[in-house]
Amino acid sequence: GENVEQHPSTLSVQEGDSAVIKCTYSDSASNYFPWYKQELGKRPQLIIDIRSNVGEKKDQRIAVTLNKTAKHFSLHITETQPEDSAVYFCAASPLFSGGYNKLIFGAGTRLAVHP
Amino acid sequence: EAQVTQNPRYLITVTGKKLTVTCSQNMNHEYMSWYRQDPGLGLRQIYYSMNVEVTDKGDVPEGYKVSRKEKRNFPLILESPSPNQTSLYFCASRMGISSGNTIYFGEGSWLTVV
Repeated sequence: GENVEQHPSTLSVQEGDSAVIKCTYSDSASNYFPWYKQELGKRPQLIIDIRSNVGEKKDQRIAVTLNKTAKHFSLHITETQPEDSAVYFCAASPLFSGGYNKLIFGAGTRLAVHP
Repeated sequence: EAQVTQNPRYLITVTGKKLTVTCSQNMNHEYMSWYRQDPGLGLRQIYYSMNVEVTDKGDVPEGYKVSRKEKRNFPLILESPSPNQTSLYFCASRMGISSGNTIYFGEGSWLTVV
């Protein structure tokens, strides 16, 4: 089945620096790749997503890139701010029979942005 | 307001005492799912449902049951809880069974089994 590996597990940066989180997936049939941000004690929130027919997507300070050949995708956060501190999860969505897409999550990256 | 509501939010229970975590959504979503979140393991799917009376196992279904008698409700049942089921549980829903539709998470239920 699909497996999603996420690195690093923890990431510490200075305010204003960039942060990059990388994920690899195993199922080449995966066609949807969302990223979630989870603040302490709260539910995961979708921050950006990308489909398999797109190589890059940007939304203000965050961007996601996808390399289908290598089966990896990355989250890029520029000009980091203390409020970016959270746990970030990537996910991949393989297509099952009957048109059902399942979300498989990575283990998460704890990002700390220091003032 | 679109929401997924879980109850209870916090629970400490004893081994073997049956419990149910309720989940309700007000968006008329077909798809609902339960996840558990454990440190270093991310979110793992327990069970999912593609519509009323249609449920299936996720990746970690052992020790859990679900039912989908109404479209809005998807309770998670622990018939005989054990300490290894201590975890943070999230219910989620989305429109349809295909990806690309936003998945909405509940606020989470912290469960401790002693």
